[in-house]
Amino acid sequence: NAGVTQTPKFQVLKTGQSMTLQCAQDMNHEYMSWYRQDPGMGLRLIHYSVGAGITDQGEVPNGYNVSRSTTEDFPLRLLSAAPSQTSVYFCASRPNLGQGVYEQYFGPGTRLTVT
Amino acid sequence: GENVEQHPSTLSVQEGDSAVIKCTYSDSASNYFPWYKQELGKGPQLIIDIRSNVGEKKDQRIAVTLNKTAKHFSLHITETQPEDSAVYFCAASITGNQFYFGTGTSLTVIP
Repeated sequence: NAGVTQTPKFQVLKTGQSMTLQCAQDMNHEYMSWYRQDPGMGLRLIHYSVGAGITDQGEVPNGYNVSRSTTEDFPLRLLSAAPSQTSVYFCASRPNLGQGVYEQYFGPGTRLTVT
Repeated sequence: GENVEQHPSTLSVQEGDSAVIKCTYSDSASNYFPWYKQELGKGPQLIIDIRSNVGEKKDQRIAVTLNKTAKHFSLHITETQPEDSAVYFCAASITGNQFYFGTGTSLTVIP
């Protein structure tokens, strides 16, 4: 199993540009999530999904869109990038809660710089 | 929403000594408390977790304690080794869907 994969590893955008951060998992996990990590602020939840077709907002959703058309993929879209979105982005997944497992598996991250 | 505070932000210990990291949370409904270790350039990795119906959990050199009344939980690492050097994050969750993380502790183990 590759686990959770993220592409790209690094990205530089200009203010106002759009892009999609890709996240995929091959563990058949129902739950997937996106976090941003900023210095001194820990990880903050952006959006999450409990299954295909179901998404919900986290702590800091503004400026980001998500959709979940398949169990494997959970892309994060920035429609109009702003310097405040410069951060390291992590995708994570975990099994369905019905399995009694809460452990999240994180991807390696995408470092995004918006100039 | 939930607010998780973590202390200290940096911690240096001599190899073989113990390290303790503390977190407090604000929402008494939180019932799941994981601890993650993040090495440089990598994503966080779960090292231990505890549910609200348990007061303490151990896994070899790592232990977590939970005090629901005081709303705080702690990570204890005994017999520290240089490979324990990393950033450690605590988190809290009510539903298992939304997780609130502390701001992290950078642990350095000095050989």
